[in-house]
Amino acid sequence: DAGVTQSPTHLIKTRGQQVTLRCSPISGHKSVSWYQQVLGQGPQFIFQYYEKEERGRGNFPDRFSARQFPNYSSELNVNALLLGDSALYLCASSFLLGAQGGYTFGSGTRLTVV
Amino acid sequence: GENVEQHPSTLSVQEGDSAVIKCTYSDSASNYFPWYKQELGKRPQLIIDIRSNVGEKKDQRIAVTLNKTAKHFSLHITETQPEDSAVYFCAATPDNYGQNFVFGPGTRLSVLP
Repeated sequence: DAGVTQSPTHLIKTRGQQVTLRCSPISGHKSVSWYQQVLGQGPQFIFQYYEKEERGRGNFPDRFSARQFPNYSSELNVNALLLGDSALYLCASSFLLGAQGGYTFGSGTRLTVV
Repeated sequence: GENVEQHPSTLSVQEGDSAVIKCTYSDSASNYFPWYKQELGKRPQLIIDIRSNVGEKKDQRIAVTLNKTAKHFSLHITETQPEDSAVYFCAATPDNYGQNFVFGPGTRLSVLP
């Protein structure tokens, strides 16, 4: 059974460009969340989607957006990239909306903005 | 909003010794506290969690304790092994229905053979 899969694994972009990151949750999981992990820090919550609806949003600028598709996969978009957007972007999935059953992280997409 | 502090930031122990990592949280509404282990270049993995109606939980060499009054919780690893070397993150969530965990800054544990 596949875990949470994210693509691409690594990405290099130039300041001002736009990027799209993709996540496929574990089969049967309906909730997907996105986190940003800057080197040396803990993950920071960006978005949560459940049943294709946004259910939570962290303290990130409007340059960050996301969506969830009917098959529960998700995309995270970041516009007008800044150097400070360089980070590991993690996707996590769970079956339920609540997190108290624990959830599973993907291996992440490492984004470097130059 | 919730704020999670974690200490120490780095911890070195001899193989076979115990390791303790402590976290404090600010929001009394937080009711779920997971611990994640992240090895270099890998994804965070859930190792143990505790809910606010429980004071202690054990799983083999790992245990977590929670003091709701003082708003702190701790991870205890006994009989440490080199493969325990990793960064450990605590987290808290005040929301039963969202995955908006607030993570601590992490503790880098090194187990010396």
